[in-house]
Amino acid sequence: DQQVKQNSPSLSVQEGRISILNCDYTNSMFDYFLWYKKYPAEGPTFLISISSIKDKNEDGRFTVFLNKSAKHLSLHIVPSQPGDSAVYFCAASADFNKFDFGSGTKLNVKP
Amino acid sequence: EAQVTQNPRYLITVTGKKLTVTCSQNMNHEYMSWYRQDPGLGLRQIYYSMNVEVTDKGDVPEGYKVSRKEKRNFPLILESPSPNQTSLYFCASSSRTGVLAKNIQYFGAGTRLSVL
Repeated sequence: DQQVKQNSPSLSVQEGRISILNCDYTNSMFDYFLWYKKYPAEGPTFLISISSIKDKNEDGRFTVFLNKSAKHLSLHIVPSQPGDSAVYFCAASADFNKFDFGSGTKLNVKP
Repeated sequence: EAQVTQNPRYLITVTGKKLTVTCSQNMNHEYMSWYRQDPGLGLRQIYYSMNVEVTDKGDVPEGYKVSRKEKRNFPLILESPSPNQTSLYFCASSSRTGVLAKNIQYFGAGTRLSVL
């Protein structure tokens, strides 16, 4: 059974607005969470991560929020740009050796 | 240029014909891993290796073998491929040194395998 779930297969946002991508997990042992971005015909590339000791991490236009009690994390992209159009995967790990990935959310940022 | 290289990028084969997908990284990373990506399921981890001669199973290891004889190479072996192994495969590597390094996996461009 999947322990990391991304329930929205797709999201469409206007350029300049905020994109919010969501991810839920079930395993309370997960203590590190990551977001990867994937363009067609390429491998995923690391975007941003957060440890369970934090509830927020920012890197430029990208912010990840972690709500441990709800077992929920979200990725905020502000402002969204057309180049952000890609599939976004969230991932979780309890030991940095095994990683569980969500099924991905395809983001389309319209010009 | 730092990269993870997978070969071949595309492969069509028949049931039962042994095949190997190669993976090589030039970043001197200790950790390497294989994933498969299927529609609606995301990436699922097949095997990983923490260093030379150290490998362990991921979530979906059945039907696959790996070896790690050299630090840079981590081939994925399908001894007797079956149609349910038709998938998109990714190899990844990361460094085990440094506080933040092990958080970041670098992925290859993928190998699309079809087993008829």
